[in-house]
Amino acid sequence: AQKITQTQPGMFVQEKEAVTLDCTYDTSDQSYGLFWYKQPSSGEMIFLIYQGSYDEQNATEGRYSLNFQKARKSANLVISASQLGDSAMYFCAMRQPSGSARQLTFGSGTQLTVLP
Amino acid sequence: DGGITQSPKYLFRKEGQNVTLSCEQNLNHDAMYWYRQDPGQGLRLIYYSQIVNDFQKGDIAEGYSVSREKKESFPLTVTSAQKNPTAFYLCASSSGQEFTGELFFGEGSRLTVL
Repeated sequence: AQKITQTQPGMFVQEKEAVTLDCTYDTSDQSYGLFWYKQPSSGEMIFLIYQGSYDEQNATEGRYSLNFQKARKSANLVISASQLGDSAMYFCAMRQPSGSARQLTFGSGTQLTVLP
Repeated sequence: DGGITQSPKYLFRKEGQNVTLSCEQNLNHDAMYWYRQDPGQGLRLIYYSQIVNDFQKGDIAEGYSVSREKKESFPLTVTSAQKNPTAFYLCASSSGQEFTGELFFGEGSRLTVL
């Protein structure tokens, strides 16, 4: 069974500094996709970044980058130059070609607070 | 603009009543999903549908029902059999053909049982 683990329930970062949110996953599939979503207090889920299991380079999207270490089964999200608007819940998730309709399986999330 | 619309945003229900949450998408996506989120937790899959007139149970389907009569619509009914229905409900869709694509989410419906 696939599983996503986020071990940091809460994180604090100073404005303009970088922060790393941890994510490890467990799967026996060779093909899979890893995603990070941001959930502000309003509740909507905002897609941030995607990493494919066969992608050789780490994904980057603006201030977001994904530190993908396949052998360790980790997919940490790095946010550079944190902004106050980055304060939110962050979820790591995985999709696989097998299983239920290629659903997203989510971790429990990390609450990030950016301090002024 | 393309997207997913969920309604109502807030809903209150008395115990023993069924309620239906609406989810409509104009993204022309084949697959649609319903997730439940409890405070401080991740999302759990209730039901999903890969194509019109077909749907499958997710991890926590007991006490819920769905229909998929149109590609654009995937309503969720929370029945009186759901023992703890107070939660935040999120509807999502995807093209359904690849596992590399992200899911697009609606803004959610918050259900409170009084």
